[in-house]
Amino acid sequence: DTAVSQTPKYLVTQMGNDKSIKCEQNLGHDTMYWYKQDSKKFLKIMFSYNNKELIINETVPNRFSPKSPDKAHLNLHINSLELGDSAVYFCASSPYEQGGYGYTFGSGTRLTVV
Amino acid sequence: QKEVEQNSGPLSVPEGAIASLNCTYSDRGSQSFFWYRQYSGKSPELIMSIYSNGDKEDGRFTAQLNKASQYVSLLIRDSQPSDSATYLCAGISSGSARQLTFGSGTQLTVLP
Repeated sequence: DTAVSQTPKYLVTQMGNDKSIKCEQNLGHDTMYWYKQDSKKFLKIMFSYNNKELIINETVPNRFSPKSPDKAHLNLHINSLELGDSAVYFCASSPYEQGGYGYTFGSGTRLTVV
Repeated sequence: QKEVEQNSGPLSVPEGAIASLNCTYSDRGSQSFFWYRQYSGKSPELIMSIYSNGDKEDGRFTAQLNKASQYVSLLIRDSQPSDSATYLCAGISSGSARQLTFGSGTQLTVLP
C-alpha cells in the first residue's frame, strides 16, 4: 500500500535513554517532516527535510536529530530522553513543489518517558 | 512568530445542525490553507484545502478564506455524529520551507 509508515507505534522508555523512531514513505514525495503533538493536540513542526535542505525549528532541543539515509526515509533520533518528551510524534511527507496540497501523515508514534 | 489561531472549543452541535469552525493567521504571506480532521488516537487527515478568497464547497463541507481579514473558516452542514473529531486549521508558511503551521485545534462533538 502507498503510505507513510512509522515504527514503532508505541514506545515506553526511561529517562536518559536514547531512542529512534523510523519513518518511510513510498509516495515518491520530495519532502518529509516530523511533528510533535502534545497532550493538548497542538501539532508543532520539528523538522522539514528534502534533498536540498534541512530546516530545523529553533525551539527543538539539539537532543533531537533527523537522519535521512535516502529520499524515502526520515528517522528521528532522540538522545537523553526527558519526561517532557512524552508526546505523539508524527512523520509526514509532501511533494515539495506541491506543498500547497497538504501533507500525508503517518499513523504516529506515542512516546512515553517514565 | 507566524501563528495560526483557532477559536476556543470544545464545540457541541446537535445532529443536523451547521458546525462553524474559525481560524485566523498572522502571516500575510501565507497562500494556502487546509482543514484537517483528527479522530482520537488517529493521524490528521486532509478534508479541505483553499487557496483563493471566497468559498469552496465539497459535499457537506465549505471552506471560506478572507485574505484581507486573514481569516479561514470551515462550515459543516447537516452535522453527523461521525463528524465528532478535532479539526485542525493549517497554513503553508511563506518562503521556501513550505511547512504547515497548525492551529491548536477545535474539538467538535455532534450530539445525536
